[in-house]
Amino acid sequence: DAMVIQNPRYQVTQFGKPVTLSCSQTLNHNVMYWYQQKSSQAPKLLFHYYDKDFNNEADTPDNFQSRRPNTSFCFLDIRSPGLGDAAMYLCATSELAYNEQFFGPGTRLTVL
Amino acid sequence: EDQVTQSPEALRLQEGESSSLNCSYTVSGLRGLFWYRQDPGKGPEFLFTLYSAGEEKEKERLKATLTKKESFLHITAPKPEDSATYLCAAMEYGNKLVFGAGTILRVKS
Repeated sequence: DAMVIQNPRYQVTQFGKPVTLSCSQTLNHNVMYWYQQKSSQAPKLLFHYYDKDFNNEADTPDNFQSRRPNTSFCFLDIRSPGLGDAAMYLCATSELAYNEQFFGPGTRLTVL
Repeated sequence: EDQVTQSPEALRLQEGESSSLNCSYTVSGLRGLFWYRQDPGKGPEFLFTLYSAGEEKEKERLKATLTKKESFLHITAPKPEDSATYLCAAMEYGNKLVFGAGTILRVKS
């Protein structure tokens, strides 16, 4: 089945210790997104790639970076995680920018 | 400012008790209205896209409708397995999805 895969599902890191979350897709979609979702809140878009073009949301902290080395993979790097960065991180894809987005299962990040 | 508001925040139903969830939106140039289902600890699962006022879509016990200012998700004769958080999202002219905070639905048998 075509899908969006996120690894790891659960990640524990220490305050200030860099962490990388990964996302892969077998849908061959052009657009990949990273969202942050805190408990009982709406998903918040951090950035997205349309093919290789990177689009950063204005309020995404500089602490968050992303890489998309090829169509299938996208990474979220958090350079110096703070306690406030503990959240569920969701990866999503869409064929085109105005199509429905398909989400992965998420990575739950805990910062100690 | 683009905004999506969902009500109620939480809804408890008895099995078989039909009801509706509301999604009010204010976005610049609506390109589409999306409904998702999210189970605890999982990513949102796509349900429907609505593009224009008057449009309706159905899937099993769910039916989504759209007006110029709001969308409704009607749940007919719900079952316990319909329990989840239902998220509404409006896509604005720049193709950004603006999500509501969701309605937590609990269906008791």
